[in-house]
Amino acid sequence: DTGVSQNPRHKITKRGQNVTFRCDPISEHNRLYWYRQTLGQGPEFLTYFQNEAQLEKSRLLSDRFSAERPKGSFSTLEIQRTEQGDSAMYLCASSLPGDANSGGKLFFGSGTQLSVL
Amino acid sequence: QQQVKQSPQSLIVQKGGISIINCAYENTAFDYFPWYQQFPGKGPALLIAIRPDVSEKKEGRFTISFNKSAKQFSLHIMDSQPGDSATYFCAASYASGTYKYIFGTGTRLKVLA
Repeated sequence: DTGVSQNPRHKITKRGQNVTFRCDPISEHNRLYWYRQTLGQGPEFLTYFQNEAQLEKSRLLSDRFSAERPKGSFSTLEIQRTEQGDSAMYLCASSLPGDANSGGKLFFGSGTQLSVL
Repeated sequence: QQQVKQSPQSLIVQKGGISIINCAYENTAFDYFPWYQQFPGKGPALLIAIRPDVSEKKEGRFTISFNKSAKQFSLHIMDSQPGDSATYFCAASYASGTYKYIFGTGTRLKVLA
């Protein structure tokens, strides 16, 4: 296993269409995160899973966004009725539970670049 | 209170020079401060991290200086190389719980050969 894998790398869609992204975390990592990064900005937290349970969602995650992590392995992020404002890089990260020393290191994938026309 | 403010927005350094990037935070509950390096088209990669019980941490050419009373921390890159040219993000999180990172806005570093 060489790291967090995300597919597709690029997605171009028309406004109003639905899109789905996939993330395969590092195999032994039970924590999985989705972040969104727009040009010139730092990543913004969207949601977090521990195993299959979605434990936290950001207010940035409108009801058009849904994320799943069946069986605690890979995760999908779906955006329904895409809008031009959804254009961004969607990053997935995974980690092991942190300890007092590490604080929980996040390992990021290369992201899916979404362009909504 | 959740923000992490990062400066400068961009930085140009000569090869062999020292690159310094600064960050400031408000929330005193933050207790884990990583720095990430991001190359174009790639996801952020962890560079170095510090907890507030130490004032400095060094790994190779990278050093984090931490000032708890001022709620500031900085990244120093010694002997900067052209291969260090990338965007650097500071972040803050809680060492317990979700490890939800709050990222700064990034610093685009260019090291001239």
